Amino acid sequence: NAGVMQNPRHLVRRRGQEARLRCSPMKGHSHVYWYRQLPEEGLKFMVYLQKENIIDESGMPKERFSAEFPKEGPSILRIQQVVRGDSAAYFCASSRGQSSEKLFFGSGTQLSVL
Amino acid sequence: GQSLEQPSEVTAVEGAIVQINCTYQTSGFYGLSWYQQHDGGAPTFLSYNALDGLEETGRFSSFLSRSDSYGYLLLQELQMKDSASYFCAVSYSSASKIIFGSGTRLSIRP
Repeated sequence: NAGVMQNPRHLVRRRGQEARLRCSPMKGHSHVYWYRQLPEEGLKFMVYLQKENIIDESGMPKERFSAEFPKEGPSILRIQQVVRGDSAAYFCASSRGQSSEKLFFGSGTQLSVL
Repeated sequence: GQSLEQPSEVTAVEGAIVQINCTYQTSGFYGLSWYQQHDGGAPTFLSYNALDGLEETGRFSSFLSRSDSYGYLLLQELQMKDSASYFCAVSYSSASKIIFGSGTRLSIRP
């Protein structure tokens, strides 16, 4: 049973480039959450998606950030024109249903912006 | 509001018991979860409470009081491997997102 798969594990980008982070949920899970974490800090909610639907994107910055979870394929978190402040660990989690009591997390993508 | 409060750091001795508290301010509260995260690792689920009372899973127990908007995680027979950050998280019945607290860093001394 594969868990939540995130790739890449590490991503280095220069300022102004685009970053694409991928997340494949656990088998049988149709709900995906994205969180951002800075060192020594908590997990900040970004967006919650179902297949082909954005359920809640209240934690997403209004500009440069977007997320999708297509019918086929992984969920994608896209950051355009990255800045140094975007450097962080980005975790994806999946659950079986809405407001599920248990989230399964991927290993995260560490984004470093030079 | 949807803020959660938990202590930033707790220190305990190996073999002892430690309690990590979490208070939340929220409407539409659905349930309280706890997660463990080791340095450099991913958060892993520990426990979940939707109803008042104590849930026990091995050395770890979690408690919820909905009337007090309060819960805690209890760790017994502490081991060095329990040194990690512990997060409480609240799920909502309407918004369906899950909000995490800032985390409590637990350090265990021999």
